[in-house]
Amino acid sequence: DADVTQTPRNRITKTGKRIMLECSQTKGHDRMYWYRQDPGLGLRLIYYSFDVKDINKGEISDGYSVSRQAQAKFSLSLESAIPNQTALYFCATSEKGSDGYTFGSGTRLTVV
Amino acid sequence: AQSVTQLGSHVSVSEGALVLLRCNYSSSVPPYLFWYVQYPNQGLQLLLKYTTGATLVKGINGFEAEFKKSETSFHLTKPSAHMSDAAEYFCAVGAPDSGAGSYQLTFGKGTKLSVIP
Repeated sequence: DADVTQTPRNRITKTGKRIMLECSQTKGHDRMYWYRQDPGLGLRLIYYSFDVKDINKGEISDGYSVSRQAQAKFSLSLESAIPNQTALYFCATSEKGSDGYTFGSGTRLTVV
Repeated sequence: AQSVTQLGSHVSVSEGALVLLRCNYSSSVPPYLFWYVQYPNQGLQLLLKYTTGATLVKGINGFEAEFKKSETSFHLTKPSAHMSDAAEYFCAVGAPDSGAGSYQLTFGKGTKLSVIP
């Protein structure tokens, strides 16, 4: 099994729908992150969490929310999806700053 | 605040030629620096990192990078390109825990490497 698992891998949804992307990890790391990747823009941080009770906004949190259900699970929700949120979404985990991140395989989301 | 600039969104090299991908960073504290590689339809995989100590770091698949503080650079090189190196490469900057900008990485916009047979 992968260290960081994202579900679904691909999703097409309609404008206005609520959608949840899920991430689970077996690394035992406290820190978890959600990034979105857009062509030519690199990866931009949406939200990050240091433990179940510690959730922080990243640079592009508008239109998104998160839930840290357990140390191992960190979900990203789009409350009312819009086409501008079409992107590749990555979950990542980290133990400490010098380690860098372990990434999931990504969720490709298309909003039509 | 931290930032990363990758020079060149696309780089093409011939098979067997030198690969040079450029990365410059800005950080208010001594940085941690990373290079990640992304193959098509996959997540990001750590190539190499610099935290402290030796400024020339070696990574997987024959890649290496040199931290040059005076130039605020962390360029990625490989002496001889292989077809399998075709991918997108991301430079990222972080900071020691508790330092300014710590706890998350800031990524560059990526450089797509093409290898011509």
